[in-house]
Amino acid sequence: EAGVAQSPRYKIIEKRQSVAFWCNPISGHATLYWYQQILGQGPKLLIQFQNNGVVDDSQLPKDRFSAERLKGVDSTLKIQPAKLEDSAVYLCASSLDARMNTEAFFGQGTRLTVV
Amino acid sequence: QKEVEQDPGPLSVPEGAIVSLNCTYSNSAFQYFMWYRQYSRKGPELLMYTYSSGNKEDGRFTAQVDKSSKYISLFIRDSQPSDSATYLCAMSSFSGAGSYQLTFGKGTKLSVIP
Repeated sequence: EAGVAQSPRYKIIEKRQSVAFWCNPISGHATLYWYQQILGQGPKLLIQFQNNGVVDDSQLPKDRFSAERLKGVDSTLKIQPAKLEDSAVYLCASSLDARMNTEAFFGQGTRLTVV
Repeated sequence: QKEVEQDPGPLSVPEGAIVSLNCTYSNSAFQYFMWYRQYSRKGPELLMYTYSSGNKEDGRFTAQVDKSSKYISLFIRDSQPSDSATYLCAMSSFSGAGSYQLTFGKGTKLSVIP
């Protein structure tokens, strides 16, 4: 079974530039999550989708971050404009259905450095 | 006070040692308790999962939950160099949005020295 795919693996941008990350969840998984993991910290949930609807985006900095999950499959997370403090690993995860607390599987993450 | 507190370490032990990793939490709504292992430059992977107070064993790993004290532990017996990773505790609760959500601790970085 293929895992959660993310791209790119690494990205370096200057502050005030924009960047986008892509995630392809495990086939058939209804729930998709984007987490931000700052160095030395645990993952922090940014946004959670159930199919193509947003379940929770309370911790997403909406003035600069946006995410979409078209057709309830792939998802993109965008940052515009980036700040230095956005330097982190952005993890995408998916689960069969978060309404039943099924296991979340994580991708390898995209490591973003903002200089 | 954060919802989940975890000593970030780092923790360094000799091969064969017993390792104890711990987390405390403040949110009584947490129902499920998990330990994830994260190797360097990889995503977290689920190691152990439990929902009731008591112990759960899986090979060299034992997860312990004490809901009355709001305390969870992971014990690793006969630790191996391959156990060197960051261990994240995670807890889930049913949110008002109608789904379960995970809250992670900071993670404890473990090094097992041969």
